[in-house]
Amino acid sequence: DTEVTQTPKHLVMGMTNKKSLKCEQHMGHRAMYWYKQKAKKPPELMFVYSYEKLSINESVPSRFSPECPNSSLLNLHLHALQPEDSALYLCASSQWFGAGQGYSSYNEQFFGPGTRLTVL
Amino acid sequence: SQQGEEDPQALSIQEGENATMNCSYKTSINNLQWYRQNSGRGLVHLILIRSNEREKHSGRLRVTLDTSKKSSSLLITASRAADTASYFCATDGSGGTASKLTFGTGTRLQVTL
Repeated sequence: DTEVTQTPKHLVMGMTNKKSLKCEQHMGHRAMYWYKQKAKKPPELMFVYSYEKLSINESVPSRFSPECPNSSLLNLHLHALQPEDSALYLCASSQWFGAGQGYSSYNEQFFGPGTRLTVL
Repeated sequence: SQQGEEDPQALSIQEGENATMNCSYKTSINNLQWYRQNSGRGLVHLILIRSNEREKHSGRLRVTLDTSKKSSSLLITASRAADTASYFCATDGSGGTASKLTFGTGTRLQVTL
């Protein structure tokens, strides 16, 4: 199974709502990622989890709260979002070789189809 | 920022023609990857080229890497309508942050019949 699944596909929420995005993979990957992508722009990294621990937070506002309950699941909890947070949210996973691996590093990332989020 | 610049921003060709996209980046890399994204969908990995490689082929794809110029190119030969998509290069930083990819600005390719 080489698929990354994301739910929901579309989400519309108000600025006072609390919602969650979910991501799942069964490839045995120990690195999982959240990206945010605005229209006609490249994906921007938000968070990286390795071995279920948060390893990179790209200075993301606290209204976005990631969670990695186990090696297959990744959640993104949303609270008090702003209209400018409307975007496509992409989850990805990859093998993890860690730091200092030089030419042996190999981090092809497998992406899910994304959740299209609209904040009203 | 490590973000790469890609050119052209948009490219329109006819089916059967070749398409070439270029990517430039700023700092040392372990490897460079190319991804494709159909409109509003997730990204699909196309090819990875390591910093000690100069050229790589995969089917109709040919990627070159010139680390002295910090640039890469993606050539799609004999293009098809199904190749219509956005193409992004992505670099990973050398020296320990192997898992963090930074994507270039992308090239939107339109292949017409």
